[in-house]
Amino acid sequence: GAGVSQSPRYKVAKRGQDVALRCDPISGHVSLFWYQQALGQGPEFLTYFQNEAQLDKSGLPSDRFFAERPEGSVSTLKIQRTQQEDSAVYLCASSLPHNTPGAEAFFGQGTRLTVV
Amino acid sequence: AQTVTQSQPEMSVQEAETVTLSCTYDTSENNYYLFWYKQPPSRQMILVIRQEAYKQQNATENRFSVNFQKAAKSFSLKISDSQLGDTAMYFCAFMTDTDKLIFGTGTRLQVFP
Repeated sequence: GAGVSQSPRYKVAKRGQDVALRCDPISGHVSLFWYQQALGQGPEFLTYFQNEAQLDKSGLPSDRFFAERPEGSVSTLKIQRTQQEDSAVYLCASSLPHNTPGAEAFFGQGTRLTVV
Repeated sequence: AQTVTQSQPEMSVQEAETVTLSCTYDTSENNYYLFWYKQPPSRQMILVIRQEAYKQQNATENRFSVNFQKAAKSFSLKISDSQLGDTAMYFCAFMTDTDKLIFGTGTRLQVFP
């Protein structure tokens, strides 16, 4: 595709509900990142994939957060038993392989999650 | 651990004037990359400019340029001939050796006529 695509753009969830956020990276981009952006803050790293391998999940705030990229393309970020503090914009980014130093990360428009 | 600090929550500038946004960072690495991203209300992060730490020459992209001071760990963004479309949040970011980005808290820039 022409850019990174995320869906849905907006999601309202009741506290305790499970949600799934989707990211379609740019075709051919090996690296995929998820970031969480709270209101008025900068994005914070959640997790990183190289192809289907999840190489870094150090930023996931709890075991309620789970991400996968089974075929090395589309990725899904799942949040179980959502809580109000999960309300944020979730940004996905993709880039060329790691052996392209300083490769630009291309971002999607994000999913704004509101937990009520 | 790497950190990025943006000390200006908000800035404003008149159209056609010049404005400078500040950024400092902390790292023990010697080779790294620094970025400025623009985030308009649409939420999509757009790369404005990037700098390789091993390059002494400051990066420039049309009206955008940086003042990179490696010893001081400073990386400011200068926007010349400001345009109304430059109104947005601006984030300074540091790229680690694993390609993840560490962002500052952002500066909201308002360009007024």
